[in-house]
Amino acid sequence: DAGVTQSPTHLIKTRGQHVTLRCSPISGHKSVSWYQQVLGQGPQFIFQYYEKEERGRGNFPDRFSARQFPNYSSELNVNALLLGDSALYLCASSFGILNTGELFFGEGSRLTVL
Amino acid sequence: AQSVTQLDSQVPVFEEAPVELRCNYSSSVSVYLFWYVQYPNQGLQLLLKYLSGSTLVESINGFEAEFNKSQTSFHLRKPSVHISDTAEYFCAVTPISGGYNKLIFGAGTRLAVHP
Repeated sequence: DAGVTQSPTHLIKTRGQHVTLRCSPISGHKSVSWYQQVLGQGPQFIFQYYEKEERGRGNFPDRFSARQFPNYSSELNVNALLLGDSALYLCASSFGILNTGELFFGEGSRLTVL
Repeated sequence: AQSVTQLDSQVPVFEEAPVELRCNYSSSVSVYLFWYVQYPNQGLQLLLKYLSGSTLVESINGFEAEFNKSQTSFHLRKPSVHISDTAEYFCAVTPISGGYNKLIFGAGTRLAVHP
């Protein structure tokens, strides 16, 4: 079975540009979460989507947005990129919304902002 | 709000030696606790979790962690490590009454097992 897949795996952007990252959850999983992992730090929660609705949001500016599609895949969008947005962006899926279950993570999209 | 502190950023150890990776958390509400592992060039994988019941939880590959509520700790231990245990280990918590699946992670501990 395919795990959580993310694309692209690596990308380079310049300040002020926009980026879209994509995530396909494990088949049957209805929840997708996004995390930002800056080098040397643990992942930080950005969003959780469940059944195409935003169910949770972390402490990130409005430049960060996301959506979930009817097939439960998801996109993370970041506008007006800053140098500090350089990070590994992780997508995680789970069957439900509650916090007792296991999160399944993809390998991430590594974004470098120059 | 919750926070997680992993007391060691790096832990070098020889193969077959015991290891302990320390994790302390701060929270004004009750939390669930997790350890995730990230092998090189891979995504994070759940290693073990504490939801309720026995305070000692075990993983299938020999790791164990003990929840200590009074010391707000959830240290990870293994009596004898292998080269294949080399990875980054993350401790995480989530509020029990959070209503959604938000994990608060520590900064990670890099375990390096040497022959």
